[in-house]
Amino acid sequence: SQTIHQWPATLVQPVGSPLSLECTVEGTSNPNLYWYRQAAGRGLQLLFYSVGIGQISSEVPQNLSASRPQDRQFILSSKKLLLSDSGFYLCASASQETQYFGPGTRLLVL
Amino acid sequence: KNQVEQSPQSLIILEGKNCTLQCNYTVSPFSNLRWYKQDTGRGPVSLTIMTFSENTKSNGRYTATLDADTKQSSLHITASQLSDSASYICVVSGTGNNRKLIWGLGTSLAVNP
Repeated sequence: SQTIHQWPATLVQPVGSPLSLECTVEGTSNPNLYWYRQAAGRGLQLLFYSVGIGQISSEVPQNLSASRPQDRQFILSSKKLLLSDSGFYLCASASQETQYFGPGTRLLVL
Repeated sequence: KNQVEQSPQSLIILEGKNCTLQCNYTVSPFSNLRWYKQDTGRGPVSLTIMTFSENTKSNGRYTATLDADTKQSSLHITASQLSDSASYICVVSGTGNNRKLIWGLGTSLAVNP
């Protein structure tokens, strides 16, 4: 099975500051990778997905961006954080029909 | 509109009791339905995945059923344990241009001693 690593686990950032969340995957090659956000009391919202290096699809227009510099590395970024960016960010890797999720990063923008 | 609705929103049961969670969906055409367990502050973990032709699938004390005609699924938990306390999320995938995963809001289950 796959192992998804995410860091940091918790992050508190001021409004307007930049963001970089990293996700790495072990145990598979050429996976489909996903970034989700889960706001309090809400379902998972797909932000970005990638089917290969340098290939990023955005699901929701926002001030976030994603990059995939290596096969098993997926990065979520922002140049200037908004209060509304607070939430629980999850990275996932798909193998066949199953998605494996990382431990998540809890982001609080103040 | 593709939707996944779960009920109840929250549930409290005593340890050792059974419970059933419901999921109704309108995703069409349908590909598969998944149930995930998400502990507080953790990523979701897959419990079961069922395709159109499957009516039931078990994973230990968890048994999922699927009625593709009525577009309903249930997750039955037998002999609940304290560690079953979590959010249970139903996720439905379509086919073709409708392949995105549609996530339900989950049922929050609390198992009390």
